Amino acid sequence: AQKVTQAQTEISVVEKEDVTLDCVYETRDTTYYLFWYKQPPSGELVFLIRRNSFDEQNEISGRYSWNFQKSTSSFNFTITASQVVDSAVYFCAHHSNYQLIWGAGTKLIIKP
Amino acid sequence: DGGITQSPKYLFRKEGQNVTLSCEQNLNHDAMYWYRQDPGQGLRLIYYSQIVNDFQKGDIAEGYSVSREKKESFPLTVTSAQKNPTAFYLCASSIGTTDTYNSPLHFGNGTRLTVT
Repeated sequence: AQKVTQAQTEISVVEKEDVTLDCVYETRDTTYYLFWYKQPPSGELVFLIRRNSFDEQNEISGRYSWNFQKSTSSFNFTITASQVVDSAVYFCAHHSNYQLIWGAGTKLIIKP
Repeated sequence: DGGITQSPKYLFRKEGQNVTLSCEQNLNHDAMYWYRQDPGQGLRLIYYSQIVNDFQKGDIAEGYSVSREKKESFPLTVTSAQKNPTAFYLCASSIGTTDTYNSPLHFGNGTRLTVT
């Protein structure tokens, strides 16, 4: 069965530290997509990235970077030089075969 | 600006009453979704609609109903049959009618429903 595990329920770091959010997925499909979303305190989820299973190239967008490793079924998210505005709940999700499966989310707290 | 509007932000109801949550989008998206979010859990799909006048049950449709009479609107009714309705409800939309979960979702700000 498809499954997404975000083992870190909550992470707390001091501003400017780097932080990595883990995402491990289970799938039997060869074609699939992986997503990361951010949910700030305001409530709406904001799309961050989509990666398809054939593209293992790491992605960098400003302070954000994503490490996709099919060998370990992981799609980890790193924030470099964290800022207070990064405080949010972050969700990883897996899509294949018309199903979108969500992880339970990781609450990230950035302390000033 | 294009987006999704959910109203109200907070809603309080007595047990046994039906309540309707509003969701409107002006993104011209074909697909719309309702999710439920409970503390410490991921999002769970209630209903989705890929086109006007058509909708499908998600993983937890029992006790809920929807309609899709207009492309822009996808209201969700929480009926008295829903055993534990207190939750945060999120509406979303996406482009396209085929393989729609592949497309990124755009979310509203959510409605927090409390039933006592």
